[in-house]
Amino acid sequence: GAGVSQSPSNKVTEKGKDVELRCDPISGHTALYWYRQSLGQGLEFLIYFQGNSAPDKSGLPSDRFSAERTGGSVSTLTIQRTQQEDSAVYLCASSLAGTARYTFGSGTRLTVV
Amino acid sequence: DQQVKQNSPSLSVQEGRISILNCDYTNSMFDYFLWYKKYPAEGPTFLISISSIKDKNEDGRFTVFLNKSAKHLSLHIVPSQPGDSAVYFCAAMRGSQGNLIFGKGTKLSVKP
Repeated sequence: GAGVSQSPSNKVTEKGKDVELRCDPISGHTALYWYRQSLGQGLEFLIYFQGNSAPDKSGLPSDRFSAERTGGSVSTLTIQRTQQEDSAVYLCASSLAGTARYTFGSGTRLTVV
Repeated sequence: DQQVKQNSPSLSVQEGRISILNCDYTNSMFDYFLWYKKYPAEGPTFLISISSIKDKNEDGRFTVFLNKSAKHLSLHIVPSQPGDSAVYFCAAMRGSQGNLIFGKGTKLSVKP
């Protein structure tokens, strides 16, 4: 597609429920990133996929968070047993290999009540 | 441990004047720096970048300056326009692979 697409744009969930956030990167972009922005905070790195290499999961805040990227394209970020502190805007970005010029999606605003 | 710091959460300037946004970093291994701009309810968009082998990069009204010895970079916008009102994020990385490290952002308001 023309840009990075994320769905849903908004998600309200009850504490303790699992959620899945989806990211469709730009076709041909081999690198895919997940970040989150909590209220008043900067962009916090979560996970990075590059081609067929093992993902860099060093930013995942707990084992409740996981992500996969199927077929080198679409990615899903899963948060299990959501907590109120998980409330944030989750941003996905993609880029060509070897470049730091990311194209971001509009994000998913997650609210845990 | 913040590796990229934007110490001014907000900045207000008059239309037509210069906006200067500052950023400091702690990791001397960073060799590529970028500025992103973010409007509400949108994802950040790339604005301008600079490699550590340079000390200045200019693109139209936007200029980024890098002072490696001080581990400091700044973004200058001249002249500032109301449409420049947004949150500006400074970001840094090491090498050509891996993830960007972002600052907390500075909200710029340009008043007509």
